[in-house]
Amino acid sequence: KAGVTQTPRYLIKTRGQQVTLSCSPISGHRSVSWYQQTPGQGLQFLFEYFSETQRNKGNFPGRFSGRQFSNSRSEMNVSTLELGDSALYLCASSLLGQTLETQYFGPGTRLLVL
Amino acid sequence: GENVEQHPSTLSVQEGDSAVIKCTYSDSASNYFPWYKQELGKGPQLIIDIRSNVGEKKDQRIAVTLNKTAKHFSLHITETQPEDSAVYFCAASRGRNQFYFGTGTSLTVIP
Repeated sequence: KAGVTQTPRYLIKTRGQQVTLSCSPISGHRSVSWYQQTPGQGLQFLFEYFSETQRNKGNFPGRFSGRQFSNSRSEMNVSTLELGDSALYLCASSLLGQTLETQYFGPGTRLLVL
Repeated sequence: GENVEQHPSTLSVQEGDSAVIKCTYSDSASNYFPWYKQELGKGPQLIIDIRSNVGEKKDQRIAVTLNKTAKHFSLHITETQPEDSAVYFCAASRGRNQFYFGTGTSLTVIP
C-alpha cells in the first residue's frame, strides 16, 4: 500500500505570495492532519480534515487554510507569506481520525520564504 | 492547551549502550502517548505508543513507561545501533485526533 505523498517536496516563495501544498493520504484513510515543523517550535498542529470538513484547528492565523476533497486528498494554502512561514509542512493521515488511532506522516513539503 | 516538554534535546551514546528520552505533559486529560522517529528527509514514523491505562510497553529493544501521577513518560532504547540515529519526538493527545509534540531529541549512536 502506498504511503502518504506530498507535493511539491520543495518550494521557494517570496514574501506576500501565496502557496498551495497538496497531500494524498493512504488509500482508504479519511482523516488528514497538517503540521508545521520548525527548529524552534517543533511540530505544531495546523488543522484536521475528515470527510471534507475541518474538524479541528490549531492556533494559527487565518492566512493558513485548507480543504479536503471527496477522494480525501487535501490541500493547504498559506496566503500573504511571511518569512516566519519557512518550515517543513507535514501531513498525516489516519483511517477515521478517532482517538488512539495511528497517524502516518508524509515526507513533508519544505517551504522557504525569501 | 497541552504543553509537552522533551529532554534532552541532543543525546550521544556508544553503540550497544542504552538511550533514555523523557517527556512531561501538562494536561491530565491526555490519554495517548506516541513516540515518533524522524530520519533525515523523511516524515515522522510511529515507533511505539502507550495508552493511559498502561504503565509500560515493550517492543523488542524499545520500551516506553508512563507515570500518570507525575505526568511524564519516557522512551528507552537498549542495545543501540547506528541505525537508531535520528530525531525522536514524543507526543500527547486527549483525543479528537489532535496531538501535541515535544521539541525533539537528536540521538547519535557512535559506532
